[in-house]
Amino acid sequence: NAGVTQTPKFQVLKTGQSMTLQCAQDMNHNSMYWYRQDPGMGLRLIYYSASEGTTDKGEVPNGYNVSRLNKREFSLRLESAAPSQTSVYFCASRPGLAGYNEQFFGPGTRLTVL
Amino acid sequence: QQQVKQSPQSLIVQKGGISIINCAYENTAFDYFPWYQQFPGKGPALLIAIRPDVSEKKEGRFTISFNKSAKQFSLHIMDSQPGDSATYFCAASKGSGYALNFGKGTSLLVTP
Repeated sequence: NAGVTQTPKFQVLKTGQSMTLQCAQDMNHNSMYWYRQDPGMGLRLIYYSASEGTTDKGEVPNGYNVSRLNKREFSLRLESAAPSQTSVYFCASRPGLAGYNEQFFGPGTRLTVL
Repeated sequence: QQQVKQSPQSLIVQKGGISIINCAYENTAFDYFPWYQQFPGKGPALLIAIRPDVSEKKEGRFTISFNKSAKQFSLHIMDSQPGDSATYFCAASKGSGYALNFGKGTSLLVTP
């Protein structure tokens, strides 16, 4: 099992460009999450998908959109990138909302917006 | 606002020493408290977790101490090793909640 995979690993954008970060998991998990990690800020939730077909905003959703394409895949889109979106983005998955289950994280995408 | 406050921001410990990282929370609805370990260039990985019905949980050299009345919990790393050098995040959530609330992280360096 590959676990949680993310593409690309690195990306450089110019202000105003758009891009989609891809995430896939092969653990048959129901819930998936997108976080951003900034120095000294910990991980902050952008969006999550409790189950296939549903998405909800997290703590810092502005400037992002998401799509839960199917049970395996959860993408994050930046429509018009801004320098403030320079960050490391992590996707995570979890068996489901209920219970006390571990969240499994992908390796991250390092994004720089110039 | 930050729902989980973590300290210290950085920590240097000699090999064989005890590393202690502290976290505090405000939301009494939280009932799941995991610690994540992150190495450079990698995603966070679950290290150990506790629920508030116990005051301590130990797994190998790693121990979580939990004080429900003070709304605080801490990670103790006994016999710290250079391989433990990483960033550690505490987190909290409701068991049936939707996401983890992370502390800002502690960068641990264990010197030989």
